[in-house]
Amino acid sequence: GQNIDQPTEMTATEGAIVQINCTYQTSGFNGLFWYQQHAGEAPTFLSYNVLDGLEEKGRFSSFLSRSKGYSYLLLKELQMKDSASYLCASMDSNYQLIWGAGTKLIIKP
Amino acid sequence: GAVVSQHPSWVICKSGTSVKIECRSLDFQATTMFWYRQFPKQSLMLMATSNEGSKATYEQGVEKDKFLINHASLTLSTLTVTSAHPEDSSFYICSARDAGVDWNEQFFGPGTRLTVL
Repeated sequence: GQNIDQPTEMTATEGAIVQINCTYQTSGFNGLFWYQQHAGEAPTFLSYNVLDGLEEKGRFSSFLSRSKGYSYLLLKELQMKDSASYLCASMDSNYQLIWGAGTKLIIKP
Repeated sequence: GAVVSQHPSWVICKSGTSVKIECRSLDFQATTMFWYRQFPKQSLMLMATSNEGSKATYEQGVEKDKFLINHASLTLSTLTVTSAHPEDSSFYICSARDAGVDWNEQFFGPGTRLTVL
């Protein structure tokens, strides 16, 4: 079956670094997406990985290991506005996104 | 950048009425649009894939006669919740893929919050 696993909730301190892990099992693979979703709003795109390795984009980086079915999202220099849910999604062979349940990130001053 | 709009942003209706939600791609053509539903503190649940000019593909457990989808043009898909009941109250989100690029990103609309009384 298809499955995406990520932690339910994480807490971090403003200015620190946090890594949100995601493991996936999907029928075929056309890339791994990370989205940010603030409460009551639609998801916004953060990153896309289809090849192994690290993609860096400002304070956010995303890593993929296809052989391990594993990805992580790394957030640096955390700001209070980064408090949100972070959704991991794998695109399967039909180009459909299979979503994780999301990781609620709480940032403390 | 690619922009997707949804209308209305929120709607309150009485039980038994029908509600139509529009999803538009504003600056690109979308042969494929997706309709999601999200309950509080839960992840996105794909309801159906809307294909321009053909019937939508519904996910298992989603009643196609209750959730009518029409994708009549390359920039518009509509979701009609027929005979809505309180359990249909949810956050409905559409997304679209740009038909003109070889890129898999889905662009999301802002969502529609439906409350059925």
